Amino acid sequence: SQQGEEDPQALSIQEGENATMNCSYKTSINNLQWYRQNSGRGLVHLILIRSNEREKHSGRLRVTLDTSKKSSSLLITASRAADTASYFCATDPFEGAQKLVFGQGTRLTINP
Amino acid sequence: KAGVTQTPRYLIKTRGQQVTLSCSPISGHRSVSWYQQTPGQGLQFLFEYFSETQRNKGNFPGRFSGRQFSNSRSEMNVSTLELGDSALYLCASSQYPGGKTEAFFGQGTRLTVV
Repeated sequence: SQQGEEDPQALSIQEGENATMNCSYKTSINNLQWYRQNSGRGLVHLILIRSNEREKHSGRLRVTLDTSKKSSSLLITASRAADTASYFCATDPFEGAQKLVFGQGTRLTINP
Repeated sequence: KAGVTQTPRYLIKTRGQQVTLSCSPISGHRSVSWYQQTPGQGLQFLFEYFSETQRNKGNFPGRFSGRQFSNSRSEMNVSTLELGDSALYLCASSQYPGGKTEAFFGQGTRLTVV
């Protein structure tokens, strides 16, 4: 089944730096969503970007979507220790089974 | 508004037993989805219910089943447990089915099969 692929699989940066995570997917989508998961807990929704949108902001988060390249990026600016978590992209496919399909995630570690 | 509640949080079962997990969605949400999360396979979609009807089912054996009640609460059942069923089971609720809107996740049920 279609699945987003996050890149990199793991990322470690210093507090205060910016973190960028990428997501690629295979088929046309209605929307793409980003979620955060702290270790062993539930997922928290961050941003939903629709296929006709190119960029969305929420606080220190910036998400871009390039449907021609079938890719999205999540930028976290001025990172904090509390941003340490796994980040997942999830796609809502335009065709086929209507369900959110999650990627494998990027493990982000913010070092103090 | 109360969040998504999953019970129990932790569960230890023996191979061959069956287990039932419960999920109470956010008030007003009629869609409930279930996911299995393991280190090797990531987040795998199990099934989705909307207004008491199963709309979608993932690629899991028939041992995995679920249902939704008229108050939108949902249960999933796994029969004849196998060691490989050890995982974090996550429930998510949303206003509309499919992935059209944001999903709100519970804290999950950690199932260990021994």
